Amino acid sequence: DAGVIQSPRHEVTEMGQEVTLRCKPISGHDYLFWYRQTMMRGLELLIYFNNNVPIDDSGMPEDRFSAKMPNASFSTLKIQPSEPRDSAVYFCASSSLLRGISGDTQYFGPGTRLTVL
Amino acid sequence: DAKTTQPNSMESNEEEPVHLPCNHSTISGTDYIHWYRQLPSQGPEYVIHGLTSNVNNRMASLAIAEDRKSSTLILHRATLRDAAVYYCILRDRFSGNTPLVFGKGTRLSVIA
Repeated sequence: DAGVIQSPRHEVTEMGQEVTLRCKPISGHDYLFWYRQTMMRGLELLIYFNNNVPIDDSGMPEDRFSAKMPNASFSTLKIQPSEPRDSAVYFCASSSLLRGISGDTQYFGPGTRLTVL
Repeated sequence: DAKTTQPNSMESNEEEPVHLPCNHSTISGTDYIHWYRQLPSQGPEYVIHGLTSNVNNRMASLAIAEDRKSSTLILHRATLRDAAVYYCILRDRFSGNTPLVFGKGTRLSVIA
């Protein structure tokens, strides 16, 4: 398995532009999480989905952030308009509720490093 | 999730054992102890988890105190590749696949 795939790996944009981050979870996983990591706040949850349905979006900073999961193999995190304070590394992770070998282990992607100028 | 306390940083010599401590004095009876680590410029990765008994896998060992108020992640022979931030996280066994709540973790440096 290729693991969790995120694209792009790096994104540099100017303030006010729309940014779309993409994630492909591990096949068969029914949970998908979006986290953000900054020096000041560390790793924090933005939103997570179960079977493509958003379960908790209380971590989404404001209305400029939106996330979708149109199918089991794809999710997007969109920021519109972007601001310099959105600069961070954004991680996507997936997991399966099926217990056993993996239990509820979360598998993280390599992250997208976003820089908003 | 219950709170954990870890040292901010630790240092180890290469090929020596490393013991990373974690205090979780408010742990409940149904909390699993999970460890994740984050290598430089990578996403976090699962290391090990346990409930009451000590656990071993190919990456590390987890020693859990008898009262479960503390635990220790043991890397038997540290390599340069083990330099990372290590996170100790408590997760309720009945909470399902809830998000991970990361603290600041312990930054491990390995000296050649």
